[in-house]
Formats: sequence, structure tokens, C-alpha cells
Amino acid sequence: EAQVTQNPRYLITVTGKKLTVTCSQNMNHEYMSWYRQDPGLGLRQIYYSMNVEVTDKGDVPEGYKVSRKEKRNFPLILESPSPNQTSLYFCASSLSLSGANVLTFGAGSRLTVL
Amino acid sequence: AQSVSQHNHHVILSEAASLELGCNYSYGGTVNLFWYVQYPGQHLQLLLKYFSGDPLVKGIKGFEAEFIKSKFSFNLRKPSVQWSDTAEYFCAVRDTGRRALTFGSGTRLQVQP
Repeated sequence: EAQVTQNPRYLITVTGKKLTVTCSQNMNHEYMSWYRQDPGLGLRQIYYSMNVEVTDKGDVPEGYKVSRKEKRNFPLILESPSPNQTSLYFCASSLSLSGANVLTFGAGSRLTVL
Repeated sequence: AQSVSQHNHHVILSEAASLELGCNYSYGGTVNLFWYVQYPGQHLQLLLKYFSGDPLVKGIKGFEAEFIKSKFSFNLRKPSVQWSDTAEYFCAVRDTGRRALTFGSGTRLQVQP
């Protein structure tokens, strides 16, 4: 089944403890992206990747890192999480950003930073 | 920068009522337009999309949206809502020159039986 898989789905951590949220897609998509969803703010893009080894900042990149060493994986790294990074995170992918391609979203990862 | 406005933050309707959710965007160039739906506890799913052609777009579950270029709008409609339509709805716009999909803040729809 074609899907975007995120792990963990739920995580409670403490300020400053490094964590990684993994994202994997099995559709050979070139484009991958991370969003955070906060009440009243909708989804805001954190980072995106057009292909392997090609990443770029979205609208709210502060406090996050990403890497794209393989086409299928796009992990989101929080080196030193802070409470303002408590949010619901979504990974998404598409074949590309052109033409009729649409994003496929993962199930989401709810992160709480104490 | 591109912005997307969804003016209705929370809408409460009774079953069988008609629905219209507003979406306006700021970019004046060529755009791709989307409506996504997020059912409680689930991820976002594509409801419908507009890329070109007929400005009246039909999506899944009886939803439709109309692209009015002169008004920079892409409103979502459904003639008769059901309890199962209770969800959050997000409008999204991608201008063909940028590399991001910009989402609106979402509209929470609550349908009462």
C-alpha cells in the first residue's frame, strides 16, 4: 500500500533532549516536506526536500534540522527541543511539485515538550 | 508572501443544511488550489483540487468548489451535509513559481444530527 509512515506517533519529552521523528515513503516520490499544525494557524511548512541531498527551509525552520540521504526517508531532527515546539507534525510527499501532483500525508506525530 | 485566508473558523450546521466555506488567497499569478479534509484523529486527505480548465471542480463525498479568479477565491460547497462530514477543512494554494504549498488556518465543521 502506498503510504507515508511517521514514527513515533506520540512522544512526550523534556526540554533539551534531542529527538528525531522519522518519515518514510514507499512511492518513489522526489518531493518530501514537514509541516507543523497548531490550533488557529493551520499547517506551516518547516523544511522541504526536492530530492536526495537537496533540502531547503520552509516558513518556520528555526529549531529544526532535516536530512535527505535516501529518497524514501526524510527525518526531522529537534536538536534541543523547547516547549514552543509542542505541536502536531505531518510529513508529506509527492512525485514532484509540478503538474497534477498532490501531497500524500502521513498520519501525524504529536509531540509534547515539557 | 503568499497568504490564504479562511474566514470561518468554526461552523456548526444541522444535518441536511447546505455548506459553503470561504477561501481567499493573495497571489495574483497562476495557482493550483486544493481543499484537504482532516477527520478527527486522522491525517489530511485530499478532497478536491483545481489545476486548470472548468473552474467548478467536483470532489469526493459530494463536495465541490468554484474557482473565481477575479475574486481570488476557491470556496468549498456541499448541498446537504451529513454528520460524517464533521471534520476540519483546509484550503491550500500553490503558486506555480514557488516551492511551497500554503495552507489556510482551517475551518472546523461540526454537523449536528
